[in-house]
Amino acid sequence: AQSVTQLGSHVSVSEGALVLLRCNYSSSVPPYLFWYVQYPNQGLQLLLKYTSAATLVKGINGFEAEFKKSETSFHLTKPSAHMSDAAEYFCAVSVRGYSTLTFGKGTMLLVSP
Amino acid sequence: EAGVTQFPSHSVIEKGQTVTLRCDPISGHDNLYWYRRVMGKEIKFLLHFVKESKQDESGMPNNRFLAERTGGTYSTLKVQPAELEDSGVYFCASSPRDGTGELFFGEGSRLTVL
Repeated sequence: AQSVTQLGSHVSVSEGALVLLRCNYSSSVPPYLFWYVQYPNQGLQLLLKYTSAATLVKGINGFEAEFKKSETSFHLTKPSAHMSDAAEYFCAVSVRGYSTLTFGKGTMLLVSP
Repeated sequence: EAGVTQFPSHSVIEKGQTVTLRCDPISGHDNLYWYRRVMGKEIKFLLHFVKESKQDESGMPNNRFLAERTGGTYSTLKVQPAELEDSGVYFCASSPRDGTGELFFGEGSRLTVL
């Protein structure tokens, strides 16, 4: 079985500051890892995914994440936050060959001017 | 190309009533999933269809929930009778048969049981 832990239900940053959203996973087999974002009143949108290619994954809107097997982590970063980044972010894991996702509890990113 | 669409976007019903949620996946996607998020909790898996067959329904909470996918196209999720704890947002997602694991989500159907 796999699981995901997202540290911090809420993260607050100032506009222009570094964004760091933490995600640790547990999986007995090599995982696929995903970050999804949900803007207010919208569905979940894929930001980026790791599927065993490069460990540093670049996504949309300037976000990137690094897969670190030794730390079982897949933290999401963005060098400079924008007001439009305010949303809820979900880390998710699946097992290769199976497409069912297991989600973390989500982290709400708040961006202040 | 149209995305995953869900209907209704919001439903308010009383305890004991019945509600049916509908999901239209992306055309050609064999895989269809239902997930649910209860307020303050994580998004949890309910079930997975491959075409019209239930591949995995291990996440269905109890027998008040019935999911169907007639003809392998759209899917419905019926809750009968609804209870207070069924309130939450129900997400539908779809993916192609040989995808890379990415799921394409709809905007969700918010269910409020009073």
